[in-house]
Parts: sequence; C-alpha cells; structure tokens
Amino acid sequence: AQSVSQHNHHVILSEAASLELGCNYSYGGTVNLFWYVQYPGQHLQLLLKYFSGDPLVKGIKGFEAEFIKSKFSFNLRKPSVQWSDTAEYFCAVITYNTDKLIFGTGTRLQVFP
Amino acid sequence: EAGVAQSPRYKIIEKRQSVAFWCNPISGHATLYWYQQILGQGPKLLIQFQNNGVVDDSQLPKDRFSAERLKGVDSTLKIQPAKLEDSAVYLCASSLESGDYGYTFGSGTRLTVV
Repeated sequence: AQSVSQHNHHVILSEAASLELGCNYSYGGTVNLFWYVQYPGQHLQLLLKYFSGDPLVKGIKGFEAEFIKSKFSFNLRKPSVQWSDTAEYFCAVITYNTDKLIFGTGTRLQVFP
Repeated sequence: EAGVAQSPRYKIIEKRQSVAFWCNPISGHATLYWYQQILGQGPKLLIQFQNNGVVDDSQLPKDRFSAERLKGVDSTLKIQPAKLEDSAVYLCASSLESGDYGYTFGSGTRLTVV
C-alpha cells in the first residue's frame, strides 16, 4: 500500500532560520505530490503541488519543494522562516492507480521570535 | 468563493451515543470527501462521493459509520454507536471532479468521545 513518511514530527526554529521538512513516499509509479499547511484553528490549505515538469516547485509564502524521483522524496524548504509560519505541515500524495489523497503524519513547526 | 462549510465545530458525546456531522461543499463541486484526523496523525480518507454516488468507502468502518450525499450536494456522516477511539477531527473536502486535485477543506468537526 502507498504510504507517506514525514521524518520530523516536531521542529522548533528561531525566526530567520532556514527550514527543510522531509517527505518520502512509497510508490514506484507516477505520483502527484502536495504540501498542505494547517495554521492553528484553521483548515488545511494547499502550499504547493507537483504534477510534472520542473521538479523544483514554488508555492505561496516563500515555500518551495523539490521532487527527487530517485529518492522518492518531496522535501519542503524555506530559506528564512517567520513567526507566522508556526503551523502543522502535511505532505500528501496521489498515485495514478488509486486517485486518493494520502497524507503523511504531519510535522509541527514552532517558530520563536 | 465560499469555502466548505462544516458543522458543528465541536461535539462531545459519551461512548455508545450517536452523532452526525454535516458538510456543505463548494457550489458546483461534484466530488466530496470525508477524512478522519486522529491527534498526531495525518488525515485518513473515510469515503469519497462523486455527485450522490459512493466512489470509495473501503476505509469506512461500516459497522458504525455511515454517510450519505442526497441530491449530490450536502453530505452527512454518522457514527452509531461511538467508541472512544472515534475521537478525532472529521474533515470534509470537495473538488470539481474526481481526478481534479484542487481539494478545498472545511475547518472540520472536533469530536470527543468520553
């Protein structure tokens, strides 16, 4: 069965620090990849997505992610985090044979001023 | 554009009681999803509707959970009887059609079973 792994469960950073959140998926075929963010008390929002083409995807609020097919990875990055980035981040994948959005367990990011 | 509406926001019930959640998707969205998000875990798909038909309910515990989407618009998810392990946030999402991956999520209903 397809699965998504997020290695960092809880990340604590100071403002202006760089961020990288890991995401790996288990599926050998074609995938669509997503990062969602959930701010405290709010609904899930799409940060960015990869369907095809340039493996470096830019999303909202300065986030980007790189799809590395050989590593089955889709890590999320931001060069300089802000306090307002405090939230839970979910990696998700849709495989062509299931058409279902499968989420990782999430990474809780806390940014301190 | 209005978002996906869910109610109630919070619900506390005792085990063995029943509970129902309501979802109103974005107008024109044919596909509707119910996800269960247990604390510390990612959302897990329970059921997917295309208009008023069920596309996938393989992860729905059918002995206690049921869902319907009459007229292909609003949807309700019911749990009867509830168990302690059903405590979770129940998320509703919609998209224009199956295969369109522009999911929009509602704010969810937080269920606590005591």
